[in-house]
Amino acid sequence: SAVISQKPSRDICQRGTSLTIQCQVDSQVTMMFWYRQQPGQSLTLIATANQGSEATYESGFVIDKFPISRPNLTFSTLTVSNMSPEDSSIYLCSVSEGTKQFFGPGTRLTVL
Amino acid sequence: GDSVTQMEGPVTLSEEAFLTINCTYTATGYPSLFWYVQYPGEGLQLLLKATKADDKGSNKGFEATYRKETTSFHLEKGSVQVSDSAVYFCALKVDSNYKLTFGKGTLLTVNP
Repeated sequence: SAVISQKPSRDICQRGTSLTIQCQVDSQVTMMFWYRQQPGQSLTLIATANQGSEATYESGFVIDKFPISRPNLTFSTLTVSNMSPEDSSIYLCSVSEGTKQFFGPGTRLTVL
Repeated sequence: GDSVTQMEGPVTLSEEAFLTINCTYTATGYPSLFWYVQYPGEGLQLLLKATKADDKGSNKGFEATYRKETTSFHLEKGSVQVSDSAVYFCALKVDSNYKLTFGKGTLLTVNP
């Protein structure tokens, strides 16, 4: 199974600033996913990131707010831009291997 | 669209009690079904899965059977332990390359 690491593991940020979250996978994967888990809620898919193409965003999420990079088959970044307290969540990177999907440990973001 | 409905929590049980967490789904295609577990302070882990009707997924004493006729995938364990205290998420995926759709999660607390 894929081993996924994320950095930072947590951060506390001021409103109006931006944070970039990094996701590293120990094997090459075609598709990477970014999810958000708001406090006490389930996981919601933000976008799907394929290497060499623009990320595909789910309804309610836009590239200006959540720009994503996917420079190679083992790495991706998600930026949370112009943050507000409503962006306080856990952000998770995920990869798909066949029918299984694996998740990183998450980045816990608090926006003050 | 696809959706997952799972039992509202929290669920509190005594050690060695029987556990059932109900999960039903609606899907536009033929989904694979999953249970994920999130232990306190940890990331999301795949607990078990089933990819076709009547399949039974099992792991760590937990079981769930894919019931197409009732569109259900209920999680069961015969004798829970304190270490099973966690949040459990039911999820589905219609295509191996596409997103996971999660239920809202069920918090399980097992008391000694």
